[in-house]
Amino acid sequence: TQLLEQSPQFLSIQEGENLTVYCNSSSVFSSLQWYRQEPGEGPVLLVTVVTGGEVKKLKRLTFQFGDARKDSSLHITAAQPGDTGLYLCAGPLGSNYKLTFGKGTLLTVNP
Amino acid sequence: DAGITQSPRYKITETGRQVTLMCHQTWSHSYMFWYRQDLGHGLRLIYYSAAADITDKGEVPDGYVVSRSKTENFPLTLESATRSQTSVYFCASSLRRGVEAFFGQGTRLTVV
Repeated sequence: TQLLEQSPQFLSIQEGENLTVYCNSSSVFSSLQWYRQEPGEGPVLLVTVVTGGEVKKLKRLTFQFGDARKDSSLHITAAQPGDTGLYLCAGPLGSNYKLTFGKGTLLTVNP
Repeated sequence: DAGITQSPRYKITETGRQVTLMCHQTWSHSYMFWYRQDLGHGLRLIYYSAAADITDKGEVPDGYVVSRSKTENFPLTLESATRSQTSVYFCASSLRRGVEAFFGQGTRLTVV
């Protein structure tokens, strides 16, 4: 059972389009993190959201944490080819802080 | 250079052999993690450690052994490698619970 479900699994769009990817769980998380991974590299943190309903912006990227802290979304405005990559959400599971990842959304932005 | 480093970057081994993947971080982070990444499965946690001499199983620990005698090192050993352990392995570290995890560049392991 995947504790963090990400959708869509794959997304291919044209440069300039907007998109939203989702991270959902039946469990409550104290915080959720979003990472981006490029081929041949390890994931790199984009943002951490910690408060239910929180919205954080990072240039053209907008992250939202659900009110119940069970879900999160990432919206990209006017996508660029440089946004191409695997987007992963992650959260600490349990009192021992098992950092658990979703399977990711593989985004391709075509010029 | 400071950071988190994994070695080797690439490894080919034979079925049944023991192999150890190394992970070293220079930040004195408390938490360290080992993940494997496979197509269709994403990043799956193998083992993690909250501090030196404290380790615990993750999602897929079978066939793997870890130790953490020093804060900065967290080696992962495959006791008797199997083809199903062919994967890309990532080590990560985190200063404390709930904050950013920093990842190494990964080790691509092929078991033949």
